[in-house]
Amino acid sequence: NAGVTQTPKFQVLKTGQSMTLQCAQDMNHEYMSWYRQDPGMGLRLIHYSVGAGITDQGEVPNGYNVSRSTTEDFPLRLLSAAPSQTSVYFCASSSGQGRTGELFFGEGSRLTVL
Amino acid sequence: EDKVVQSPLSLVVHEGDTVTLNCSYEVTNFRSLLWYKQEKKAPTFLFMLTSSGIEKKSGRLSSILDKKELFSILNITATQTGDSAIYLCKPSGTYKYIFGTGTRLKVLA
Repeated sequence: NAGVTQTPKFQVLKTGQSMTLQCAQDMNHEYMSWYRQDPGMGLRLIHYSVGAGITDQGEVPNGYNVSRSTTEDFPLRLLSAAPSQTSVYFCASSSGQGRTGELFFGEGSRLTVL
Repeated sequence: EDKVVQSPLSLVVHEGDTVTLNCSYEVTNFRSLLWYKQEKKAPTFLFMLTSSGIEKKSGRLSSILDKKELFSILNITATQTGDSAIYLCKPSGTYKYIFGTGTRLKVLA
């Protein structure tokens, strides 16, 4: 059971570089989302998707892009990395339309921007 | 705009103590409230509450939802060092899932 798979697990970037965090799920979940978690803080929603071709902004979308071309994949793109984007990023998915159910999380990707 | 407030932000107790964690919320089209436990990695699911009342997970953890007053409580009795974690609540209404800031619990031996 792979569940939600995130890559890479660790990444160091220089300011201004771009990169993509990958997220894939094999549970046929319609709902997928990205969160960031700063030290000592809760989870903040970046972007979410309720199905292929549909994405929307969360609480902290600036500096990030997403797309959802398939049900399985939901990559998160950092266009021009900044030190303020140093954080741990979690991808999560949920079944159906996801409005009541449990979120299944990936193991997280730790990003450091120098 | 949806709001979720958890209190206290952090808590230090000794093994055997009982703790009460609070979550108040304002969510459009409320459907459920979920509690998660986060240790070193990703959050893990504890409870989902959809109706006012009590839901027990195990003998030591229980949770109450009050849909009229818009809050939930997570109780942990006879705490153990393994209960040390961040506890997060997440009310669900629209698809924009917002978590509370979390309560960081540390249980001392």
